[in-house]
Amino acid sequence: EAGVTQFPSHSVIEKGQTVTLRCDPISGHDNLYWYRRVMGKEIKFLLHFVKESKQDESGMPNNRFLAERTGGTYSTLKVQPAELEDSGVYFCASSQLVGRSTEAFFGQGTRLTVV
Amino acid sequence: DAKTTQPTSMDCAEGRAANLPCNHSTISGNEYVYWYRQIHSQGPQYIIHGLKNNETNEMASLIITEDRKSSTLILPHATLRDTAVYYCYFNFGNEKLTFGTGTRLTIIP
Repeated sequence: EAGVTQFPSHSVIEKGQTVTLRCDPISGHDNLYWYRRVMGKEIKFLLHFVKESKQDESGMPNNRFLAERTGGTYSTLKVQPAELEDSGVYFCASSQLVGRSTEAFFGQGTRLTVV
Repeated sequence: DAKTTQPTSMDCAEGRAANLPCNHSTISGNEYVYWYRQIHSQGPQYIIHGLKNNETNEMASLIITEDRKSSTLILPHATLRDTAVYYCYFNFGNEKLTFGTGTRLTIIP
């Protein structure tokens, strides 16, 4: 069974440009999470989808970030326009909805560099 | 956010048991204790979780104190591949993970 897949693995863009990150969760996982690690800082939560609905988006830094999960399958995270401080590694995770104590599976991350 | 306290760093000799402590004194009765780790720059990896009883799986053992205010993750025979940052947190399940600074565990050859 495939794990959580993120694309691209690396992205280098100029300030002001737009970038879209994609996450394919494990099939059947209704929970989908986005996290970000900025250089030297802790991994921070961005938002949580349950199927196609945003359950918690309290970690989204500002309105330059837009996350979608149409159809409740894969998710995209768009940054528009990108700023230098958006550089970091963006992780996606998924887990099953059934039951309370479920483990989350993480992708390998997308390393975003804004220059 | 759920608050845990972990040592910043620890060393352990290869082949020995690594014991990583975590304080979670504000945990409520229905919240689970979770452990994850991040090896270098890879995505975080689930290790184990528990509610009240001690737990064991193929990766590690989790010992939770009777008052549930602290726990210890045990890697029974540490290998060089266990060098990573280990994170402990608690929540009700199906919620966001809260990563603190974790414990940087270094396995010494």
